[in-house]
Amino acid sequence: KQEVTQIPAALSVPEGENLVLNCSFTDSAIYNLQWFRQDPGKGLTSLLLIQSSQREQTSGRLNASLDKSSGRSTLYIAASQPGDSATYLCAVLSGGGADGLTFGKGTHLIIQP
Amino acid sequence: DAGVIQSPRHEVTEMGQEVTLRCKPISGHNSLFWYRQTMMRGLELLIYFNNNVPIDDSGMPEDRFSAKMPNASFSTLKIQPSEPRDSAVYFCASSLARSTGELFFGEGSRLTVL
Repeated sequence: KQEVTQIPAALSVPEGENLVLNCSFTDSAIYNLQWFRQDPGKGLTSLLLIQSSQREQTSGRLNASLDKSSGRSTLYIAASQPGDSATYLCAVLSGGGADGLTFGKGTHLIIQP
Repeated sequence: DAGVIQSPRHEVTEMGQEVTLRCKPISGHNSLFWYRQTMMRGLELLIYFNNNVPIDDSGMPEDRFSAKMPNASFSTLKIQPSEPRDSAVYFCASSLARSTGELFFGEGSRLTVL
C-alpha cells in the first residue's frame, strides 16, 4: 500500500526566503505526482503535476522535482510572499490501476511579513 | 468553466439522520473521486468512478456509506444513518483521465453530526 510522507509538518519563514518542501513515497510505481495548495476552509488547488516520465515542472516561482527511483519529490518556492501561506499537499497516483491519489498529511507554511 | 461544484457547503445534522452530498464534476471529465478529510487522518479516498462506473470503493468505511453517479454530470454520496464520527469535510474531485490527468477539487462539504 502506497504511503506518502511530507516533511516538515509545519514551517515558518520570513518573507523573501527561498524554501523547499519535501515529499516521499514508498512505492515507486507511480503514474504521476501532484502538488496542491489548500487555504483554510477551502478546497485543494492544483499547483503542479509531474508525470512519471518527467523530472520536473515549473510554474512561476514554483518548481517541483521528481526522483521516482528514490521515491522523492521536492517543491521549491522562490522569493516567498505572505500570500504563499497555506498548507501544501503532495499526492501520488499509484500504478496498478485501482487507486486514486494517495495524499501526504501536508506542510503548513507560514510566511512572515 | 465553473469548476467542480459541491452542495451543500455546510451540513449540520443529528445522529441517525440521512445525509446526501452532491457533486457536479467539470464538464468532459471522465473520472470522479470522493475524498474525506479529517485532522487525524488527512485526506482519504472513499470511492472513484470512471465513465460513471464505480471502479474502487474499498475506501468506503461502512455499509452506511453509498455513492452513485447516474450520469456524467452528477454524483451523490449518501450516509445513512449518520454518526458523529462521520463529521468531516467531504471533497469531490474530477479529472480528464485517471492515469494522467490533473485533479480538480470542489470547495468541499463540511458535515457535522451531533
